[in-house]
Amino acid sequence: GIQVEQSPPDLILQEGANSTLRCNFSDSVNNLQWFHQNPWGQLINLFYIPSGTKQNGRLSATTVATERYSLLYISSSQTTDSGVYFCAVVGVGGFQKLVFGTGTRLLVSP
Amino acid sequence: DTGVSQDPRHKITKRGQNVTFRCDPISEHNRLYWYRQTLGQGPEFLTYFQNEAQLEKSRLLSDRFSAERPKGSFSTLEIQRTEQGDSAMYLCASRQLRPGLAGGTDTQYFGPGTRLTVL
Repeated sequence: GIQVEQSPPDLILQEGANSTLRCNFSDSVNNLQWFHQNPWGQLINLFYIPSGTKQNGRLSATTVATERYSLLYISSSQTTDSGVYFCAVVGVGGFQKLVFGTGTRLLVSP
Repeated sequence: DTGVSQDPRHKITKRGQNVTFRCDPISEHNRLYWYRQTLGQGPEFLTYFQNEAQLEKSRLLSDRFSAERPKGSFSTLEIQRTEQGDSAMYLCASRQLRPGLAGGTDTQYFGPGTRLTVL
């Protein structure tokens, strides 16, 4: 099945810094979503982005489907950005199930 | 805006007991998914429904697990004879019927999860 790798696994930033999270996937995808998992375990939708670029406030994402990667940019990070960021994909013929990466754990210190 | 809801949020049980979790999807969503997340890992797919039909089950879903969606609305996930290895967060997600109509997408929306601890 399709493989999803995220990097870096851990990231520590000071408040106000910018960061880039990367997601590589091993095959063509029909769906790619970025999530933020808060300390209580809730998965919060950030972007639905199987291709192209989107922006939402301080966050933006770019997926280059032909090269099988996606990037999540966080600018002017805040302590509330701390948590785990997951990339998840549905492979072509993947019957709608999301395959998640292992996540990037972000800690933003004041 | 009512999102996906799950009940209970936490469950502690003793090994060998049966447990049942409930998921209520977003009302207009006809696809419902169950995932399991263990500590330090990303969620893993368990099963999914389109209306009341269970269309796919993962190999992770052993014979002790059963899921239903009897009227195509809420769903239940039952684990019989729980084992310590079943301790995990159980997540439910839903998706709308026809992405592409009225600007819809394939986006899956997740509930808050049920955290199961088996002692």
